[in-house]
Amino acid sequence: EVQLVQSGAEVRKAGESLKISCKGSEYSFSNYWIGWVRQMPGKGLELMGTVYPGDSEIRYSPSFQGQITISCDKSISTAYLQWSSLTASDTALYYCVRLKGGSATGVGFDLWGQGTPVVVSS
Amino acid sequence: STELSQPLSVSVALGQTAKITCEENKIGLKSVHWYQQKPGQAPVLVIHRDSNRPSGIPDRISGSNSGNTATLTITRVQAGDEADYYCKYWDSGTVVFGGGTKLTVL
Repeated sequence: EVQLVQSGAEVRKAGESLKISCKGSEYSFSNYWIGWVRQMPGKGLELMGTVYPGDSEIRYSPSFQGQITISCDKSISTAYLQWSSLTASDTALYYCVRLKGGSATGVGFDLWGQGTPVVVSS
Repeated sequence: STELSQPLSVSVALGQTAKITCEENKIGLKSVHWYQQKPGQAPVLVIHRDSNRPSGIPDRISGSNSGNTATLTITRVQAGDEADYYCKYWDSGTVVFGGGTKLTVL
């Protein structure tokens, strides 16, 4: 089955670091952009940034530049989202998504991970 | 950040037609995508590039985009259509989402 499988729920304290993962399966992981989407409690969706596993090109949305690090390892079909110092405002549900058709922009997100809940206590 | 304008909620009777709008100046010049998010689940792409349905999405769901309004239309609404719906477009390489519309089936 074509899918994105994310790492499990995390609970951290403010100031701690965190790295969550997203593993793609049953498709050519290297050829599709992967994005990370934040959904804060009871709120809408925000794209944080994207990565192209084929060459590890990374693009950050302006609101998240400098706040997060996106990376990937195509050899294990896995993308990552990490924080060096969490704050309580990072408490949210984080989804990885696949951009349709291998395009970098202008397309829908046609595959979603199950979401990774992150809770940060202050 | 910029956010597309969607009604907070839309209510529709079972079997009737629901229309969910997404408004912004000249949105008709953009390519709009729509997502359905049921409670406790990840969103699902239901309309791609204004009016295209991904595989597996029923033809009761359709999209249009013109002028200042993009519209998601669901005909013969079922209880299972109750969800939050989000519109989205790309602008200068980044994404703009609508705030979401909660569809309630009466």
